[in-house]
Amino acid sequence: QITLKESGPTLVKPTQTLTLTCTFSGFSLTTSGVGVGWIRQSPGKALEWLAIIFWDDDKRYSPSLKSRLTITKDTSKNQVVLTMTNMDPVDTATYYCAHRIYDRSLFNFDYWGQGTLVTVSS
Amino acid sequence: DIVMTQTPLSLSVTPGQPASISCKSSQSLLHSNGNTYLFWYLQKSGQPPQLLIYEVSNRFSGVPDRFSGSGSGTDFTLKISRVEAEDVGIYYCMQSTQLFTFGPGTKVDIK
Repeated sequence: QITLKESGPTLVKPTQTLTLTCTFSGFSLTTSGVGVGWIRQSPGKALEWLAIIFWDDDKRYSPSLKSRLTITKDTSKNQVVLTMTNMDPVDTATYYCAHRIYDRSLFNFDYWGQGTLVTVSS
Repeated sequence: DIVMTQTPLSLSVTPGQPASISCKSSQSLLHSNGNTYLFWYLQKSGQPPQLLIYEVSNRFSGVPDRFSGSGSGTDFTLKISRVEAEDVGIYYCMQSTQLFTFGPGTKVDIK
């Protein structure tokens, strides 16, 4: 059974760096084809993909946010960490992490965490 | 960057009636490996999105067969053959042929 859970601060100040942790179970990020991505959703808005890290440590970032994002993994802890620098009120959103696997077919974001709401305000 | 658009943005459906959502991409989603990476998700109120359809037309595990996906190139469609009350929510298409891009979402409610 695959589960993911996001954790991190609920409130950050403008210009601060946000660090979010995705702790997962039911799969390994050392398994070929597996990835964990981050997606956010501003209140009442659409989903926005941020970043993804793969089993082989390959990483991809949203072009519009690439300069502010870093994604890393700790396979011993079953965790993926996303950092976002220079936070702004427009970054207020629910941040989700989600599982991805390629196993004869591509199952993108087939399992999601419940999300964590991050508010950016002074 | 690939831009995804969806029509309509809002849909009100009578239970038992069909529904259809269109998703268009600004570039072909046909990957060089011959696959097309177009996905459909449903986000119910207060919940994370759930995967409905992967690779254009394949239902994910547990998804009722009243949901079907079709299309190719830049034009894709999600159809619900007979809408049920539990199908209410926002439907998103997403491409991953070139990084990842979600559509703006289509809100479906019941008349």
